[in-house]
Amino acid sequence: GAGVSQSPSNKVTEKGKDVELRCDPISGHTALYWYRQSLGQGLEFLIYFQGNSAPDKSGLPSDRFSAERTGGSVSTLTIQRTQQEDSAVYLCASSFGQTAGANVLTFGAGSRLTVL
Amino acid sequence: GNSVTQMEGPVTLSEEAFLTINCTYTATGYPSLFWYVQYPGEGLQLLLKATKADDKGSNKGFEATYRKETTSFHLEKGSVQVSDSAVYFCALSDGGATNKLIFGTGTLLAVQP
Repeated sequence: GAGVSQSPSNKVTEKGKDVELRCDPISGHTALYWYRQSLGQGLEFLIYFQGNSAPDKSGLPSDRFSAERTGGSVSTLTIQRTQQEDSAVYLCASSFGQTAGANVLTFGAGSRLTVL
Repeated sequence: GNSVTQMEGPVTLSEEAFLTINCTYTATGYPSLFWYVQYPGEGLQLLLKATKADDKGSNKGFEATYRKETTSFHLEKGSVQVSDSAVYFCALSDGGATNKLIFGTGTLLAVQP
């Protein structure tokens, strides 16, 4: 597609429920990133995909968080047993994945998660 | 580890005022540096970038110069407009295996008419 698409744009859930957030990157972009933007804080890196593999999961805050990517395209971020502190905007970005020079990421509009 | 520090906001200016948003970084090696902007209700967009020391990135009247000696990448604009009101994020890419961006906490700019 023309841009990075994320769904849902807004999700309200109850504490303890599982949620899935979807990211559809720009066609041809091999690198895909998930970030979290919490109120009053910057962007926190969660996970990086190159193709379907995730060589850097260092930012996932707990084992309740997982992500996968299939077909080198769509990615799903899953949060199990949601907690109130998971409330944030979850951003997906993709790029051509250059190994040198400026790696320009294109971001989606984000999925706003509210855990009640 | 690599990190980015940018000035706290909010920054409130009158239209046509001069803007500076400070950004300094800590990194091993030679990172690429970026400014991203997030307009109200929109996603992050790349504003400008610089890939090596003394490079100047520029776009939409904004400029930033990669200063290795001071490890800085300050954002400037000579005359701001109301439409520049947004959150500005400084970031670096260390060019390592993941090429992920490390962001500052963001600076909210509010321009008043």
